[in-house]
Amino acid sequence: EAGVTQFPSHSVIEKGQTVTLRCDPISGHDNLYWYRRVMGKEIKFLLHFVKESKQDESGMPNNRFLAERTGGTYSTLKVQPAELEDSGVYFCASSQGTGAYGYTFGSGTRLTVV
Amino acid sequence: AQSVTQPDIHITVSEGASLELRCNYSYGATPYLFWYVQSPGQGLQLLLKYFSGDTLVQGIKGFEAEFKRSQSSFNLRKPSVHWSDAAEYFCAVGTSGNTPLVFGKGTRLSVIA
Repeated sequence: EAGVTQFPSHSVIEKGQTVTLRCDPISGHDNLYWYRRVMGKEIKFLLHFVKESKQDESGMPNNRFLAERTGGTYSTLKVQPAELEDSGVYFCASSQGTGAYGYTFGSGTRLTVV
Repeated sequence: AQSVTQPDIHITVSEGASLELRCNYSYGATPYLFWYVQSPGQGLQLLLKYFSGDTLVQGIKGFEAEFKRSQSSFNLRKPSVHWSDAAEYFCAVGTSGNTPLVFGKGTRLSVIA
C-alpha cells in the first residue's frame, strides 16, 4: 500500500507570506495527525482529525495556522502569515485505529521562513 | 502530563559495537511506549512498541527495548550496530484512546568505521 505522502518536501518562503502544506494519508485511515519539529526541539503534536472532523487541535500554536481535511481524505495545513518561528519540519501521520498504537508517518515538509 | 526524556543528544559508536539509547518517561499509569527512527530525508519509521506483557520487546532491524517500570525507562538496544543505523531515534509515550503521542527530543546516532 502507498504510505503517507506529504508535499512539498521543502518550502522556503518570506516572512508574511502564506504557505500550504498537504498530507495524503494511507487510504482508509480515518485518523490523521499533524506534528511539528522546530530545530533542536522535540516533535510536538499540532492536531488530530477523525475523518473530516477535528478531534483535538490543542497543539495548534495560534490562529495563523489553519488545518482542513476535505471529505476525510487529504489534509492541508495553511500558515498565514508565516513568521520566522514557524520554521521547522511538519510531519503528518495516519492510523486506522487509535493513534496510541503507532502511526505511519510521512517524510515531512521542511519549512523555512526567511 | 506525560513527558519523555532522552538524555543523550548525540552518540557515536563504532560499527559492530553494541548500542543502548536511553529513554525515561513520566506518566501516572501504564504507558504505551514507542521507538521511532528517522533516517536522512525519510519519515519517522516505527521500530517497536510496548503496550503490555513481556517487558522485552523485539522490533525491526535487530532492535529491542526493555520496559522497566521501576525505573520509568524504555531503553533501546542493538547488539551490533551497522553503518546504516546512523539516524535519529525518538522515544515516544502514548495512552489508550486518541490522545497524541509525546516525543522526546531525539538522539542522533553516528556510526564510525
